Amino acid sequence: QVQLQESGPGLVKPSETLSLTCTVSGGSISSYYWSWIRQPPGKGLEWIGYIYYSGSTNYNPSLKSRVTISVDTSKNQFSLKLSSVTAADTAVYYCARLLVVPAAPLYWFDPWGQGTLVTVSS
Amino acid sequence: QPVLTQPPSSSASPGESARLTCTLPSDINVGSYNIYWYQQKPGSPPRYLLYYYSDSDKGQGSGVPSRFSGSKDASANTGILLISGLQSEDEADYYCMIWPSNAHVVFGGGTKLTVL
Repeated sequence: QVQLQESGPGLVKPSETLSLTCTVSGGSISSYYWSWIRQPPGKGLEWIGYIYYSGSTNYNPSLKSRVTISVDTSKNQFSLKLSSVTAADTAVYYCARLLVVPAAPLYWFDPWGQGTLVTVSS
Repeated sequence: QPVLTQPPSSSASPGESARLTCTLPSDINVGSYNIYWYQQKPGSPPRYLLYYYSDSDKGQGSGVPSRFSGSKDASANTGILLISGLQSEDEADYYCMIWPSNAHVVFGGGTKLTVL
């Protein structure tokens, strides 16, 4: 059973870069898409972007200029970098596997990591 | 980026049914999209429940009880999550999602379901 675990600093200063890593266990990162989604405290979900194990990416247009998602298949990990952060970037950040059935087409996120709270504050 | 509208809250009693709605903007036809539903309990990540396109094209997430089902109301341009035989454990936030072709993932604002 695939499990995901986010890791990284819980506190980031304004204008700096938020960096998180998602470690995939119980299965290979290969042949799948992987995604980052965030949730500000008390608010709804916002998709950040996804990466295919080969390295191709797709980002939310509202964040695209600040986001980089990368993958390290040798470590079974993928990562998120969000630059020039502000208080508005304070959120629980989730990593999730994106399951895709291209012929349908179907796309859904399953499973999700437990999430990690990142606070942007000086 | 389209906006999916969900009522902030809904409530029902144990054993009853809950009907949660997800309304698409008027320029997007609900009949053209898969509507995905997620459940999120306090302190936990979202859990994938199901998708619904039509009665002949739908799918249940792994381990999701059959009392969770989807449908659409074309006249209201709305996707619907129906939970029958409500249980106290169904109290949670529920999010709908679409993925328009050549566009990007969109989540609704979520509905907090209270089981009275």
